[in-house]
Amino acid sequence: GENVEQHPSTLSVQEGDSAVIKCTYSDSASNYFPWYKQELGKGPQLIIDIRSNVGEKKDQRIAVTLNKTAKHFSLHITETQPEDSAVYFCAASKGNQGGKLIFGQGTELSVKP
Amino acid sequence: GAVVSQHPSRVICKSGTSVKIECRSLDFQATTMFWYRQFPKQSLMLMATSNEGSKATYEQGVEKDKFLINHASLTLSTLTVTSAHPEDSSFYICSAIRGGPGVTDTQYFGPGTRLTVL
Repeated sequence: GENVEQHPSTLSVQEGDSAVIKCTYSDSASNYFPWYKQELGKGPQLIIDIRSNVGEKKDQRIAVTLNKTAKHFSLHITETQPEDSAVYFCAASKGNQGGKLIFGQGTELSVKP
Repeated sequence: GAVVSQHPSRVICKSGTSVKIECRSLDFQATTMFWYRQFPKQSLMLMATSNEGSKATYEQGVEKDKFLINHASLTLSTLTVTSAHPEDSSFYICSAIRGGPGVTDTQYFGPGTRLTVL
């Protein structure tokens, strides 16, 4: 079955710096890749997603890139702010799985003021 | 749009009792809902997939008689933890996929329910 590996497990950056989180997936049939932000004690919040027919998507300070050949995708956060501190999860799914997501292990991002 | 709520947000119960958690899609109809549990500092573990009007599909290793799921309407799914024990203490989170025209597989998550079994 599908397996999603996420790195790093923890990431500490200074406010204003960029943060990059990387994920690899094993099933080449996966075609949908969302990223979620989870704050302590809360449910995950969708921040950006990308489908396999595009290589990059951007939304203000957040961008996601997808390399289908290498089967990896990355989250880029620019101009980080303390409120970006949270746990970030990547996930992958296949269109014929009824929306079932396979999650990465999570990255705890800490943005120091 | 795409708001999912859960009730209660926190619940403490005695060992051996049953607890029901509700998951509602507030501004859309959800053909599919998912239930996850999450232990501290770990990723989300899918427990089951719930489709309106049909039996839930449970992931391997999840006891269907212990975690009863009912998806009675397009906006409501419930998870009942029966005969709860301390090892069932966890953070339970639901998610929903919007149904209808232009259906996508984007999952919208609820705020979670913290269950503590004494």
